[in-house]
Amino acid sequence: DIQMTQSPSTLSASVGDRVTITCRASQNINNWLAWYQQKPGKAPELLIYKASSLEGGVPSRFSGSGSGTEFTLTISSLQPDDFATYYCQQYGSFWTFGQGTKVEIK
Amino acid sequence: EVQLVESGGGLVKPGESLTLSCVASGFTFSNTWMTWVRQAPGKGLEWVALIRTKTDNKTPDYAAPVKGRFTISRDDSQNTIYLQMSSLKTEDTAVYYCLTPLRWELSSDHWGQGTLVTVSS
Repeated sequence: DIQMTQSPSTLSASVGDRVTITCRASQNINNWLAWYQQKPGKAPELLIYKASSLEGGVPSRFSGSGSGTEFTLTISSLQPDDFATYYCQQYGSFWTFGQGTKVEIK
Repeated sequence: EVQLVESGGGLVKPGESLTLSCVASGFTFSNTWMTWVRQAPGKGLEWVALIRTKTDNKTPDYAAPVKGRFTISRDDSQNTIYLQMSSLKTEDTAVYYCLTPLRWELSSDHWGQGTLVTVSS
C-alpha cells in the first residue's frame, strides 16, 4: 500500500502570506497526485490534479509541483476564503490521502 | 450537472449491519467506476471501497480495515451503488461519501454530500 505523509499538520498564516504544504509518497507515484480543499461540514473539493494541473474554476493563486515521491501545494497570496483543511491524495494505485493540513488564521 | 445523493446512515450498535445507498445522475453511470470514502469525526479521509463497471466485471476492491465486513455493489438500471456494512465497529463511525474517483485518464471527480454512520452502544 502507498502511504502519504503530509506536513505540516497545522499552519498559521495571515491574509496575503505565501503558503506551502508538502506531501511525500512512500513510493514513486509519477505525477498521480491531487490536492483537495475541505471546509467544515462539506465534502472535499479538487484543486489540483496530476500534480500541477489546475481544476477548472480554481483561482490561479493555487499551484502544485513535484513528481515521483515529493510534492508541494503553494498558495501564492492567502485569501480569507482559503482558511480550510488541505489534503493530498495519490491515485497511482487505488487512493490514499495525506493526514491533512489545517490552515488557520494567525 | 453531476449529482450524487447518499442515504442510509444512522445510529447502530457494534456488531450490527447497515446498508448505504448512493443515487447518481448527470453522467453515464454505467461507464463509471464508483467508490466510497469515509471520514471519522475530526479525522482525515480514507478510501473504503471500489466497484468497477460491467465492462470490468463489476469487480470490487476494499481497503484492509473493511475487507470481509463491507460489500460494495451497483445497480446500473437504478444508477445506484450500495455499501453493505456488517459486523460494524465503533471505529467505523464516520461520514461516508460516494464519489466518482479521480483516475489516470480523468481530470475531475465528483463527491456526494455524505451520510453519517454512528456505531455506538
